[in-house]
Amino acid sequence: QKEVEQNSGPLSVPEGAIASLNCTYSDRGSQSFFWYRQYSGKSPELIMFIYSNGDKEDGRFTAQLNKASQYVSLLIRDSQPSDSATYLCAVNEWADKLIFGTGTRLQVFP
Amino acid sequence: DVKVTQSSRYLVKRTGEKVFLECVQDMDHENMFWYRQDPGLGLRLIYFSYDVKMKEKGDIPEGYSVSREKKERFSLILESASTNQTSMYLCASSRDTGTEAFFGQGTRLTVV
Repeated sequence: QKEVEQNSGPLSVPEGAIASLNCTYSDRGSQSFFWYRQYSGKSPELIMFIYSNGDKEDGRFTAQLNKASQYVSLLIRDSQPSDSATYLCAVNEWADKLIFGTGTRLQVFP
Repeated sequence: DVKVTQSSRYLVKRTGEKVFLECVQDMDHENMFWYRQDPGLGLRLIYFSYDVKMKEKGDIPEGYSVSREKKERFSLILESASTNQTSMYLCASSRDTGTEAFFGQGTRLTVV
């Protein structure tokens, strides 16, 4: 089992819709969870982080964490074509190890 | 702004060469990471360091070594480059455990 798993996509949504991206992780001891966005040919950049169970909202983005189910998700409301990118889930495991999923490619069409 | 700088954007090396990839961060971060990114495989952790002269293996350390003699600099070394090490290499740093990692611009290495 991979340490951090994501559906590779592509996930296609129309402009204005909600995009839902999901991630599961295997290490029950993980404490910190991150969502990064990566445009083609660019480096990943942080969108959100979450440490506690529940929801965290920042503008159009909401991160959700369920530690019992080892599941973290990212919701993007009012999706825009500029949101089209690959979204990477990252988990901080033991001893500072930061592990990424393979990413989900999101396509927002006008 | 945090800045993570990788020494080269593009690099072409011959099979068997010893290759050094350098990474420098300017924010006094404790942790530094080296990843490689390949299509369909995502970002895979090669090595990371949580302090000067300290290093830990990631998921794919074979064929690589690292050096961290100063806090701001983390070097990735390919002892004898092979064609299967052709990839995008990304360096990152974070202040401490559980905090945001900042990435360099990446080095696209081609081994011929």
